[in-house]
Amino acid sequence: DQQVKQNSPSLSVQEGRISILNCDYTNSMFDYFLWYKKYPAEGPTFLISISSIKDKNEDGRFTVFLNKSAKHLSLHIVPSQPGDSAVYFCAASSMGGSQGNLIFGKGTKLSVKP
Amino acid sequence: EAGVTQSPTHLIKTRGQQATLRCSPISGHTSVYWYQQALGLGLQFLLWYDEGEERNRGNFPPRFSGRQFPNYSSELNVNALELEDSALYLCASTRELLNTEAFFGQGTRLTVV
Repeated sequence: DQQVKQNSPSLSVQEGRISILNCDYTNSMFDYFLWYKKYPAEGPTFLISISSIKDKNEDGRFTVFLNKSAKHLSLHIVPSQPGDSAVYFCAASSMGGSQGNLIFGKGTKLSVKP
Repeated sequence: EAGVTQSPTHLIKTRGQQATLRCSPISGHTSVYWYQQALGLGLQFLLWYDEGEERNRGNFPPRFSGRQFPNYSSELNVNALELEDSALYLCASTRELLNTEAFFGQGTRLTVV
């Protein structure tokens, strides 16, 4: 039973264009969402997060949108750069719950072509 | 400031053996999380330790166990290794019980032959 789903295993985008990575979740108790980026042979690195009290958070070229009613979030990268090529993981947590850990999606491999 | 460090980087074991993986969290971080990333799968939550105690456990058999030491470093032990245990094992740490913005180590690549 996957609580966090990234339905697109891969995405290919031209340099300079927008990359949109999607994530769906099923657990309504999730109240904090994060995106991590992972290069091969490295651990995931934190990219951007959003609390459930917001619907948008922006950090430079990266913007995360949250649609609570649809249980959907997305990461927008504008403009995309070849260095953005990596696997992107969506993660969710329940701050008020006892679980205490992040639940990750399976990841989306982004390829940005020059 | 040093990040999360894991050792060894690579580990090759024979089926049936035991593997021990180690993790040192960022200084000041008290919570340590272990994740397994098998081929084609996302990060599967294994174990969470905080202040020396196991706080939560993922859907893994009991042969996956671990502990956290007084200095907050942690050990993951996998007994009776099976071929499907071959994966990248990632350790992450956070400050106190806040599980946001967990910082990950580079992982230990375990290969069971």
